[in-house]
Amino acid sequence: DTAVSQTPKYLVTQMGNDKSIKCEQNLGHDTMYWYKQDSKKFLKIMFSYNNKELIINETVPNRFSPKSPDKAHLNLHINSLELGDSAVYFCASGLPPDTGELFFGEGSRLTVL
Amino acid sequence: DQQVKQNSPSLSVQEGRISILNCDYTNSMFDYFLWYKKYPAEGPTFLISISSIKDKNEDGRFTVFLNKSAKHLSLHIVPSQPGDSAVYFCAASASGTYKYIFGTGTRLKVLA
Repeated sequence: DTAVSQTPKYLVTQMGNDKSIKCEQNLGHDTMYWYKQDSKKFLKIMFSYNNKELIINETVPNRFSPKSPDKAHLNLHINSLELGDSAVYFCASGLPPDTGELFFGEGSRLTVL
Repeated sequence: DQQVKQNSPSLSVQEGRISILNCDYTNSMFDYFLWYKKYPAEGPTFLISISSIKDKNEDGRFTVFLNKSAKHLSLHIVPSQPGDSAVYFCAASASGTYKYIFGTGTRLKVLA
């Protein structure tokens, strides 16, 4: 039973399109994240939600809009996709700041052509 | 501005020997540190962590050392096994925040 699951795992699309990635966690965690791993393999934090409330927004272009319908779900919608958006997007959940580790999903590889 | 750095992009070690992966940080507010392992096409998985009130934490073959004055931590794996071959990320966080900053990763290859 997957703890943090993301869909789709792979996504290939054209520049200018709009796409969404969904994330669900069944760990009962309060906090969820989106991280981006770019071509240089850096893992960069993008957003975090705590109990459906946005708590971290790391100067990500406003073409990226996260949405948390409930604390078990955090979706990422991207408008007007650009070539530079090609990356692997990881969802994670955890119970910070009191207990440490984050649990990651398997990642969603987005390729923009 | 990379607050968490792993200066060795790759490391090769013979099976059975010790692997030492290093991580440096610049933000003195960081007080909680984690190591993650990542296999290709999978998400990072948590390995071990350490709080700044300690200088060492051990879990089986994995030990993390923290040197606060040098703003440096290291992960020791002994003995190294071929299944340890993966990319290792260190991460840091500051109390009361929800932000985990990751390093750039070190690819470890354990040779049989």
